[in-house]
Amino acid sequence: SQTIHQWPATLVQPVGSPLSLECTVEGTSNPNLYWYRQAAGRGLQLLFYSVGIGQISSEVPQNLSASRPQDRQFILSSKKLLLSDSGFYLCAWSVGTGNQPQHFGDGTRLSIL
Amino acid sequence: GEDVEQSLFLSVREGDSSVINCTYTDSSSTYLYWYKQEPGAGLQLLTYIFSNMDMKQDQRLTVLLNKKDKHLSLRIADTQTGDSAIYFCAEILYNQGGKLIFGQGTELSVKP
Repeated sequence: SQTIHQWPATLVQPVGSPLSLECTVEGTSNPNLYWYRQAAGRGLQLLFYSVGIGQISSEVPQNLSASRPQDRQFILSSKKLLLSDSGFYLCAWSVGTGNQPQHFGDGTRLSIL
Repeated sequence: GEDVEQSLFLSVREGDSSVINCTYTDSSSTYLYWYKQEPGAGLQLLTYIFSNMDMKQDQRLTVLLNKKDKHLSLRIADTQTGDSAIYFCAEILYNQGGKLIFGQGTELSVKP
């Protein structure tokens, strides 16, 4: 069966420091991969998605970047964190082209001080 | 543009039925999904319905779809305290590579 892992679960970082959040999927090949941010309210904002190695689409301009160095690995990065980067970051995967559900990891709670 | 709307809060008593409503805008959506989020956790896929169906039942969960009105509902029978969570409705944009548009989530509070 397929599983998705995100780490770390919780992270506290100072303003201006770099960031690297990692997400890996097991049990499937060539998944579509997604990064979402859930701010203090509820709404889920899609940040990046990837349909293959090295293929990254950005949904919103921001201080973050994403990379997919391997088929089942998705990394969310920043060179210099801002206070507004605080939030709950969720990674998700799906398969196929367009009508399959997304399956979510347990998320990373990022607090910027 | 695409939009999914839900009411923000619902409070029910244990044992009652809960009905969570959702409206969406993209008539080309092929699937509509319900996700559950417990505090501090990720989203768990609860159930989904294909757009050519009117109803889908899965144990205590019943999904109703009114495609004409673009209205989706999730009914939870015999609601338990463990059902307390935020429930998200989502539509899939088939023509945009499977991008999901989420509603803001309905916080279900179950009182004993």
